Amino acid sequence: AQSVTQPDIHITVSEGASLELRCNYSYGATPYLFWYVQSPGQGLQLLLKYFSGDTLVQGIKGFEAEFKRSQSSFNLRKPSVHWSDAAEYFCAVRSGNTGKLIFGQGTTLQVKP
Amino acid sequence: EAQVTQNPRYLITVTGKKLTVTCSQNMNHEYMSWYRQDPGLGLRQIYYSMNVEVTDKGDVPEGYKVSRKEKRNFPLILESPSPNQTSLYFCASSSAPDRRIFRYSNQPQHFGDGTRLSIL
Repeated sequence: AQSVTQPDIHITVSEGASLELRCNYSYGATPYLFWYVQSPGQGLQLLLKYFSGDTLVQGIKGFEAEFKRSQSSFNLRKPSVHWSDAAEYFCAVRSGNTGKLIFGQGTTLQVKP
Repeated sequence: EAQVTQNPRYLITVTGKKLTVTCSQNMNHEYMSWYRQDPGLGLRQIYYSMNVEVTDKGDVPEGYKVSRKEKRNFPLILESPSPNQTSLYFCASSSAPDRRIFRYSNQPQHFGDGTRLSIL
């Protein structure tokens, strides 16, 4: 069955520290992977996506993610976190047949001053 | 500006009183979808539509209806709402699948700002 797992429900980092949010997926075919961010009271904004090619993808707001097929992972990283990055982050894989996005449970990021 | 617009943004209502949440997109997207977001469960797809007059069930369709009479609109209908439908709802849209391979691939879905429904 297709699924996405984000092992960390809640993460707290200090401003300026590096960040890594974990995402593992289970998908039979070539995965099309996305990271979205949701700020309080807002919809979901696309941070980055991966479907082929270079396994290290760059996104908006200084985020990047690395696809590792051998580990079925697509972890999100940022070298230096800003207070405005506090939000909920969702990893998702898109079904090629139905177009459905299969989401992880989400990781809430808190940034300490 | 490209956007997906949902209305209302907030609604408190009572069990059994029919309600409709509207969704409209201005990007000429073929694909539209509804999701609900619940704590600890992420977002789950309710219904989707690949084009006008083409709709299909997602993972949690019970208690919901949709229609797609026009390309830009995809309303979500709760005929007889119940408290377990209290949730945050998102509408999303994206372009059509890759015609060469007939698969949805890297097209991202664009999301509305959400509708928070409380059913008492």
